[in-house]
Amino acid sequence: QKEVEQDPGPLSVPEGAIVSLNCTYSNSAFQYFMWYRQYSRKGPELLMYTYSSGNKEDGRFTAQVDKSSKYISLFIRDSQPSDSATYLCAMSAKETSGSRLTFGEGTQLTVNP
Amino acid sequence: DARVTQTPRDKVTEMGQEVTMRCQPILGHNTVFWYRQTMMQGLELLAYFRNRAPLDDSGMPKDRFSAEMPDATLATLKIQPSEPRDSAVYFCASGLRLAGVYNEQFFGPGTRLTVL
Repeated sequence: QKEVEQDPGPLSVPEGAIVSLNCTYSNSAFQYFMWYRQYSRKGPELLMYTYSSGNKEDGRFTAQVDKSSKYISLFIRDSQPSDSATYLCAMSAKETSGSRLTFGEGTQLTVNP
Repeated sequence: DARVTQTPRDKVTEMGQEVTMRCQPILGHNTVFWYRQTMMQGLELLAYFRNRAPLDDSGMPKDRFSAEMPDATLATLKIQPSEPRDSAVYFCASGLRLAGVYNEQFFGPGTRLTVL
């Protein structure tokens, strides 16, 4: 079993929809939780990171971490065609402070105009 | 606009040939990572360096892969001999390790390797 599980999709939604992306994990040592966005033929870029449990909001994006359930989510409000990409969750233990990341396999999202 | 650069962007080679991929990390970053991305396995860490010293290469097949940092501005990943199963996108990332704070990794555009 993988340490981080993520539904690969693909996920297709109409423009303006609320998108929910999720990951589950098994390693209780994970303390840093990240969401990366990867456009086709590009490297991943950091969207958001959260330390420990709680919510974090940045514009149309909200990241949630529930450590008791070992479950993290990314919500995209008012989704746009430019949000079409692969979204990867990533996690890291505290002692490495993000230096050693374990990634989910990514969810491919398409937002249709 | 500081960014990680990688060369070549695409490489097609035949089984048994040597492949060398290069990465220029962001100036001032002290940590460099090599990842491999495939449809089946997703993004996997192969190796990483701090201050040019290898910290962890446990994700790398030792018999054919080698990673080095000849200097602070260049990291290399070599495969010799290459095999079809090495076909993947190889990413380099760099970051600045600071104790006690989150250390973001910045990814390069990747090298798409095809071994025939």
